[in-house]
Amino acid sequence: GQQLNQSPQSMFIQEGEDVSMNCTSSSIFNTWLWYKQDPGEGPVLLIALYKAGELTSNGRLTAQFGITRKDSFLNISASIPSDVGIYFCAGQPIIIQGAQKLVFGQGTRLTINP
Amino acid sequence: KAGVTQTPRYLIKTRGQQVTLSCSPISGHRSVSWYQQTPGQGLQFLFEYFSETQRNKGNFPGRFSGRQFSNSRSEMNVSTLELGDSALYLCASSLKTGHSGNTIYFGEGSWLTVV
Repeated sequence: GQQLNQSPQSMFIQEGEDVSMNCTSSSIFNTWLWYKQDPGEGPVLLIALYKAGELTSNGRLTAQFGITRKDSFLNISASIPSDVGIYFCAGQPIIIQGAQKLVFGQGTRLTINP
Repeated sequence: KAGVTQTPRYLIKTRGQQVTLSCSPISGHRSVSWYQQTPGQGLQFLFEYFSETQRNKGNFPGRFSGRQFSNSRSEMNVSTLELGDSALYLCASSLKTGHSGNTIYFGEGSWLTVV
């Protein structure tokens, strides 16, 4: 079945540094979504990407939908303490019409040293 | 506008019991999906409902079931609970279904502990 490989699994950085994480797959996806999850909470949508090659920003966050439709990356610039959490990529695979599901990466745990 | 609302937030059940979890999607959203999140398996798709019909199902046993009502609210049920069913159950909603161009929003989840 479809799988997403998300890397790195964890990151330990200094406040103010930039962060980069990515997801790759052997399957094609129609939509890529990036979420952040804090402990005990549900995933919160950060950025949605709908077209191959699309580059989208949301404040200090930038994400891109790979040209091959099999990968996506998320960058966070000038990290701040509230960026701490687990980041997930999720892709919508091509499946039957009139249905949908998300396939998730394993998550990237971001820790920031002040 | 209100987000995805899930109830209850926390519950403890005994092995062999059954549980029903509820989800109210964002107003106007007609697709509701359910996911299970565990430390070992991560986020796994359970099923999706649109217009009161199950449109897609993940690889979970038949003990896991769901339904959607005419107002788009959804419930999922797990019967004959096992210890391994302990997880965070997440509901997600989107405006429409289909595999292209949909933005999917999650609720805060229902924490189920089976003892």
